[in-house]
Amino acid sequence: DAKTTQPNSMESNEEEPVHLPCNHSTISGTDYIHWYRQLPSQGPEYVIHGLTSNVNNRMASLAIAEDRKSSTLILHRATLRDAAVYYCILRDYTDKLIFGTGTRLQVFP
Amino acid sequence: ETGVTQSPTHLIKTRGQQVTLRCSSQSGHNTVSWYQQALGQGPQFIFQYYREEENGRGNFPPRFSGLQFPNYSSELNVNALELDDSALYLCASSLTGTGFGKLFFGSGTQLSVL
Repeated sequence: DAKTTQPNSMESNEEEPVHLPCNHSTISGTDYIHWYRQLPSQGPEYVIHGLTSNVNNRMASLAIAEDRKSSTLILHRATLRDAAVYYCILRDYTDKLIFGTGTRLQVFP
Repeated sequence: ETGVTQSPTHLIKTRGQQVTLRCSSQSGHNTVSWYQQALGQGPQFIFQYYREEENGRGNFPPRFSGLQFPNYSSELNVNALELDDSALYLCASSLTGTGFGKLFFGSGTQLSVL
């Protein structure tokens, strides 16, 4: 199973953009890059996913390197409700998500 | 609100006992997967069911078993409980064939084994 590497923790101030990095040097050509986040006392929540091209949705943007060995989740304006653990996951055709320990994002007012 | 509900929310058992956890998938979803999350760790994949058949399993012993019912609700059974089984158990549902779409997770069942 392909692995991802993320920083253990990051901090941001409210209203500022946040860039959460992820390295996945062993990604295969068919792996999709998924991001989930887990708020306290809740199950993981889907954020965004992509294959090769950058992706945008109402929650965030996903920037994927040209060689696909790394990606960055971008929260354009962090809010206190964005404080969570963010997981970068490589997904094959199954629902078997391989979670790492993720990045704990703290957002300060 | 994901539409995935799990019961019970909390459970306390003693070592050696058996436990059954339940999950109601989001309407229309035909695939359910179960995850174990130890404190401070990311969720670990236990197994996946598609149309009532197990079609994927993680590195968990046979005493972890499951069922998926025709209405796509699901159960996770754990026999001969061990102290290390204490964890948050998460259920996720999805619609297979939607092109690597999203999984919807419930809030989990917190199991404590004493």
